[in-house]
Amino acid sequence: DAKTTQPTSMDCAEGRAANLPCNHSTISGNEYVYWYRQIHSQGPQYIIHGLKNNETNEMASLIITEDRKSSTLILPHATLRDTAVYYCIVRGSARQLTFGSGTQLTVLP
Amino acid sequence: DVKVTQSSRYLVKRTGEKVFLECVQDMDHENMFWYRQDPGLGLRLIYFSYDVKMKEKGDIPEGYSVSREKKERFSLILESASTNQTSMYLCASTPWGTGNYEQYFGPGTRLTVT
Repeated sequence: DAKTTQPTSMDCAEGRAANLPCNHSTISGNEYVYWYRQIHSQGPQYIIHGLKNNETNEMASLIITEDRKSSTLILPHATLRDTAVYYCIVRGSARQLTFGSGTQLTVLP
Repeated sequence: DVKVTQSSRYLVKRTGEKVFLECVQDMDHENMFWYRQDPGLGLRLIYFSYDVKMKEKGDIPEGYSVSREKKERFSLILESASTNQTSMYLCASTPWGTGNYEQYFGPGTRLTVT
């Protein structure tokens, strides 16, 4: 599965949109992009996934570039409870997910 | 809601003890996983299972074994616990599929080996 690169940390003001970038320049055609987050002392939580098209659910939006080499997770109105480590993962046919270091998002009051 | 439960949130064991960590999921998922998480090292896969009695090594299987006698239950075994196995242990499950592959995680077990 392709490797991903994310910034180590980001800050966002409460109520503003949080935009978390992810590079996956070696992604192949059948690999999906997944986003998970982990709030301190809890298990990771699935947020969203996509293949080519942009996706939106009740938690977030996922924007994937046309060449699929990068993506952005958008939390439209960040709250303090969104403070967490966010993981971008690319997966093809493997049964397991490979978690990288993720981005520590801190939402500031 | 899918539920993945783990037998203990906190566990303290002595060096050399045999330790069992239990994980149960209630959604008939084929795949189950055991990870450990350490500061600065992220989540690392220990073992996973894609069917009853089937198991595959992950990235760091040394010092661990697993058992899957029933579809809903996946056990992680530390045959002789050592201090370097002090960690947070996370179990996850997912149905098989290439598209929507949402992994559901349990709350974790924080194991301390003294």
